[in-house]
Amino acid sequence: AQSVTQPDIHITVSEGASLELRCNYSYGATPYLFWYVQSPGQGLQLLLKYFSGDTLVQGIKGFEAEFKRSQSSFNLRKPSVHWSDAAEYFCAVTIAYSGAGSYQLTFGKGTKLSVIP
Amino acid sequence: SQTIHQWPATLVQPVGSPLSLECTVEGTSNPNLYWYRQAAGRGLQLLFYSVGIGQISSEVPQNLSASRPQDRQFILSSKKLLLSDSGFYLCACKVETQYFGPGTRLLVL
Repeated sequence: AQSVTQPDIHITVSEGASLELRCNYSYGATPYLFWYVQSPGQGLQLLLKYFSGDTLVQGIKGFEAEFKRSQSSFNLRKPSVHWSDAAEYFCAVTIAYSGAGSYQLTFGKGTKLSVIP
Repeated sequence: SQTIHQWPATLVQPVGSPLSLECTVEGTSNPNLYWYRQAAGRGLQLLFYSVGIGQISSEVPQNLSASRPQDRQFILSSKKLLLSDSGFYLCACKVETQYFGPGTRLLVL
C-alpha cells in the first residue's frame, strides 16, 4: 500500500527566511503528487501538483516543489516566508492510472508551520 | 470552476444521537466525491468515496454511512453517534484533482 511520510510535525521559521517542507512517499509505480495547505478551521487548499513532465512544479502563493524519483521525495519550498503562510501543510499521493476509479488520495500527517515576525 | 458547500459548519451532538452532514457541489457534473475525517494529530482519513449516483465505497468499518442521492450531493450519516466520531469532516470533489470543501466541525459530547 502506498504511504506518505512528512518527517517534521512542526517547523518554526522567521518571516523572510526560506522554507523547505519534506515529503517522502512509498509506492512502486509513478504517483501523482500534491501539496495542500490548511488554515485553522478551514478546508484544504491545493498549492500545487505533479503529474508528469518537468520535475520542478510551481504553485500558488510563491510555493514550488521538486519531484525526485531517486529519493521518492516531493519537498515543498518557498524562498521567503510571509506571516500569512503560517498553517498546516499536507503532502498527498495517488496512483497514476487511467480509466474510471476513485483516485483516492493518501495523505501525510501534516507539518504545522509557525512564522516568527 | 467547482465550488463545494458543506453544511453545517459546526455541530455539537450528544452521544447516541443521529447525524446528517451534507455536501453539495456546483460547477461540475458527475464528479468523484469523497468524505474525509480529520482528527487532531492524525491527518486525514478517507471514509467514503463515490464515483456516481447511488455508488458508495467504504474505506473503514465504522458506524457511519454515506449516500449520494443526486449527482452533486453527498451525505454522511449516522444512526447513533459515538464520542470517537468527533472531528473535522471534509468533503472533496475530484475534477482534475481533488478540491476540498470548508469542512464541518463535529463535537460529540
